[in-house]
Amino acid sequence: GQQLNQSPQSMFIQEGEDVSMNCTSSSIFNTWLWYKQDPGEGPVLLIALYKAGELTSNGRLTAQFGITRKDSFLNISASIPSDVGIYFCAGQYRYNTDKLIFGTGTRLQVFP
Amino acid sequence: NAGVTQTPKFQVLKTGQSMTLQCAQDMNHNSMYWYRQDPGMGLRLIYYSASEGTTDKGEVPNGYNVSRLNKREFSLRLESAAPSQTSVYFCASKTGGEFQPQHFGDGTRLSIL
Repeated sequence: GQQLNQSPQSMFIQEGEDVSMNCTSSSIFNTWLWYKQDPGEGPVLLIALYKAGELTSNGRLTAQFGITRKDSFLNISASIPSDVGIYFCAGQYRYNTDKLIFGTGTRLQVFP
Repeated sequence: NAGVTQTPKFQVLKTGQSMTLQCAQDMNHNSMYWYRQDPGMGLRLIYYSASEGTTDKGEVPNGYNVSRLNKREFSLRLESAAPSQTSVYFCASKTGGEFQPQHFGDGTRLSIL
């Protein structure tokens, strides 16, 4: 089945550093979503992007919907220990669709 | 403020045993989903239900059945469990309309020996 290419697979950074991760697809998506998963929990939505070129922020998080509609990136500024977790991108082919295609995840570790 | 509730949280089965995973949401959502998550992979859709009374196959439906019992509940059944079905299973739900995201439960960790 299709999965999105997400990179990097893992990151080990020091507290205060900025983080950048991205997701690419061979298919065009109408919506890009970024989720975070903490250990032992389900994914929680961080940011949703609905238009090509859109740049959206949520606190220290910023995500962009690529202009080609085949990619998206997520930046985290001034990382803190609670940013630890797995970050997933997900794409939807059309609005109100019942199917999300998930990326393989980026595991983030933050050291004090 | 329960959201999406999954039971059980953990389960160990022997090969060939059957098992039903339960999911309930209290947000009056129309659509519900079952995913599995394996190490190093993202979530993969098993089955979904766009509305009460309808179900459709996702990406990896083989070996599973589902029942949309009512608007609140969507169960996933393994009739004859296999070791390849060892995984973490997530249920999700969403309301209708554009721009509505899926909300996830905390998962059921299932091991098949």
